[in-house]
Amino acid sequence: GDSVIQMQGQVTLSENDFLFINCTYSTTGYPTLFWYVQYSGEGPQLLLQVTTANNKGSSRGFEATYDKGTTSFHLQKTSVQEIDSAVYYCAMSAGFASALTFGSGTKVIPCLP
Amino acid sequence: EAAVTQSPRSKVAVTGGKVTLSCHQTNNHDYMYWYRQDTGHGLRLIHYSYVADSTEKGDIPDGYKASRPSQENFSLILELASLSQTAVYFCASTGAETLYFGSGTRLTVL
Repeated sequence: GDSVIQMQGQVTLSENDFLFINCTYSTTGYPTLFWYVQYSGEGPQLLLQVTTANNKGSSRGFEATYDKGTTSFHLQKTSVQEIDSAVYYCAMSAGFASALTFGSGTKVIPCLP
Repeated sequence: EAAVTQSPRSKVAVTGGKVTLSCHQTNNHDYMYWYRQDTGHGLRLIHYSYVADSTEKGDIPDGYKASRPSQENFSLILELASLSQTAVYFCASTGAETLYFGSGTRLTVL
């Protein structure tokens, strides 16, 4: 079946540090890939959608890349801020309106330097 | 702005009791989903529905039933609640690819 692996459970870094989160996926279909963000006390919300291999998406200073060859996708931000404190989920859809398969989430904790 | 409303926001239930979690969307979306969130597991799909009066099993349906009486409403039912069903439950809807989530229901089974 479809699966998404997100290894980093928690990332603690200083403000203005570089943030990088990595996910790998497995599917027999044609995936659409997403990044969702969940702030404390809220439901997840869409941060980025990446649909084309080797193309980047960007939103709120975050950038996403997708490598079909290695079946991996990444989320990065050059300078993380305290307001970026949240849980970030990678997710995959195997088709139109298909239920999303989520990774296990990465909790990002920016600290004042 | 898409709107998905879940009720209650939190609930404490006793083992063996019946629990119903409700979800209402005003997005005119056909597709609705119930996910369960646990630390270390992320979000896992319990049940989903593509049309009123029809539901489908997701990845972890055991111990749960779902009901979709109308396009706007989607319920998750725990007939015999168990300790292992303590979690945060999220409802979501979509008309295409972007999922819109509710704020979640925190269920504690004692």
